[in-house]
Amino acid sequence: DSGVTQTPKHLITATGQRVTLRCSPRSGDLSVYWYQQSLDQGLQFLIQYYNGEERAKGNILERFSAQQFPDLHSELNLSSLELGDSALYFCASSVAGAGNYGYTFGSGTRLTVV
Amino acid sequence: GENVEQHPSTLSVQEGDSAVIKCTYSDSASNYFPWYKQELGKGPQLIIDIRSNVGEKKDQRIAVTLNKTAKHFSLHITETQPEDSAVYFCAARWTMDSNYQLIWGAGTKLIIKP
Repeated sequence: DSGVTQTPKHLITATGQRVTLRCSPRSGDLSVYWYQQSLDQGLQFLIQYYNGEERAKGNILERFSAQQFPDLHSELNLSSLELGDSALYFCASSVAGAGNYGYTFGSGTRLTVV
Repeated sequence: GENVEQHPSTLSVQEGDSAVIKCTYSDSASNYFPWYKQELGKGPQLIIDIRSNVGEKKDQRIAVTLNKTAKHFSLHITETQPEDSAVYFCAARWTMDSNYQLIWGAGTKLIIKP
């Protein structure tokens, strides 16, 4: 157990639908990062939050949004889903905003859009 | 911004032999370089990291070397075992507007042949 909790582990939904993925960071970590990993692909950075505020944006589609709540958990909302959105979505957390301590990843949510 | 190139994309070695994965970064200000191992269906896990004030770091069968002048760092795995089969990602810390992020290589799929 890495200390980063992601729910649900698996999600199957239809095209055009909307889903919410949830992440609870490791205790004491203020930063949360969301990544998308398609089959046999690398880690595509989507967005970072630090202590409730958006800090950095990567290749996140306009159909996707995220937020970090006062208790530091984060949610990634994916709407108007397309077949190409099928992927593993990972959340990672870190101490403050510093990379010195690396990231701790959750086990991911596998999204299948049918 | 920072760019990290990782080679090779796939590496196949005989069990017991050594494996070397190389990464090159572009931002000379980067000072922290972690390596992550991702097993099938799981989230990436930190296996070793190195800071820019150190040239080499070892942990049992794995080691990382850093050449700041050439801006490259490498992961060395000796006496490879079947459980070393996984995808390995390198990363470099990048700073922008006082915010730190890890910039990732594309990953190397390591296959250990029995």
